[in-house]
Amino acid sequence: DGGITQSPKYLFRKEGQNVTLSCEQNLNHDAMYWYRQDPGQGLRLIYYSQIVNDFQKGDIAEGYSVSREKKESFPLTVTSAQKNPTAFYLCASSIDRDRGPSGTEAFFGQGTRLTVV
Amino acid sequence: KQEVTQIPAALSVPEGENLVLNCSFTDSAIYNLQWFRQDPGKGLTSLLLIQSSQREQTSGRLNASLDKSSGRSTLYIAASQPGDSATYLCAVRLAGFQKLVFGTGTRLLVSP
Repeated sequence: DGGITQSPKYLFRKEGQNVTLSCEQNLNHDAMYWYRQDPGQGLRLIYYSQIVNDFQKGDIAEGYSVSREKKESFPLTVTSAQKNPTAFYLCASSIDRDRGPSGTEAFFGQGTRLTVV
Repeated sequence: KQEVTQIPAALSVPEGENLVLNCSFTDSAIYNLQWFRQDPGKGLTSLLLIQSSQREQTSGRLNASLDKSSGRSTLYIAASQPGDSATYLCAVRLAGFQKLVFGTGTRLLVSP
């Protein structure tokens, strides 16, 4: 089955610790995204990548880092610099918009819930 | 700055009712608009995608409309069922940008 897989489903972070959230897609999509969801707020964009080895900051990139070494994978690292990391993290992908409007439909994974302990 | 608003924030209806969820956006220069469904603790499921040149899209009991000039979209759900209970999110993709801007969602409860 084609789709987006996020792991782990639940993650606990200690103070001062870096943690990495995994996102893998087998949809052959060019673009991948990371969003953060907090109660009462809309989804906010952390980082996005349109092509391998390239990525751009979103609205709330501080305290996060990403890499895009493979088309299928877009891991997100939550660093100790992120002071309030407890949230639900969602990964998404879409075909690059330059291939036509029908390709820009975004698909999401099932999310990772990160909690600071 | 593009802002997306969804009204109402929560809606409770009895099973079988037809209902309308609203989404408004401040900047009409959008590439497309997408409606999603989110169940508690889960990811987002894409329901409908409307391109900026389209007026509506239909999928089963769902119909989404788009009026770019007025900055509005509606999601119509016919003959609602308890299984429709979820949070519904709309998101606009800005023209010239890759990112989606989301509304805060409408939490729908359909009672048997």
